[in-house]
Amino acid sequence: QKEVEQNSGPLSVPEGAIASLNCTYSDRGSQSFFWYRQYSGKSPELIMFIYSNGDKEDGRFTAQLNKASQYVSLLIRDSQPSDSATYLCAVTSDSNYQLIWGAGTKLIIKP
Amino acid sequence: DVKVTQSSRYLVKRTGEKVFLECVQDMDHENMFWYRQDPGLGLRLIYFSYDVKMKEKGDIPEGYSVSREKKERFSLILESASTNQTSMYLCASSYSTDTQYFGPGTRLTVL
Repeated sequence: QKEVEQNSGPLSVPEGAIASLNCTYSDRGSQSFFWYRQYSGKSPELIMFIYSNGDKEDGRFTAQLNKASQYVSLLIRDSQPSDSATYLCAVTSDSNYQLIWGAGTKLIIKP
Repeated sequence: DVKVTQSSRYLVKRTGEKVFLECVQDMDHENMFWYRQDPGLGLRLIYFSYDVKMKEKGDIPEGYSVSREKKERFSLILESASTNQTSMYLCASSYSTDTQYFGPGTRLTVL
């Protein structure tokens, strides 16, 4: 069974600090890795994707991928109350068109 | 911008009714997906389609069927709604094995 694991949280971070969200995956064949943000009652929206080992930065967000350790993370710098949401990690399956989803980490940014 | 629309934001049905949920995407995406999302259980794939008239079962297809007669439209059908099908239903589309884009979701309540 291919799995994506995330700590469910809630993860509480003070405003202005760095929030660090982590995700591990079981399928060594996974090639693409995605972070989605989901506000309560809304649908998931893409924040970032990463394909290669290392870091990828986009504004206040940095995705980090380590395929050897089967680990992907999302860093949010200068956290804002508007970043409070559930963050979903998803990875591609090597066998079909599906994404394998983590259950999400609830992030709370405290003013 | 990718746009995925769903026929209803909120829907209330009675046990035993036949329910149609419709999803339309405007980006000529090959793949379309139906998920349900319940608290604590994350996103669970019901069905997906990789081409017109093609469909594949996901993790929880029981009690559901789908139809894809046109590339842009993917319908989810609950043949005889039951209370345990009360949930948030999310449609998504993607090109190849790339990013999935979600519609706004339909919150279905079965009484």
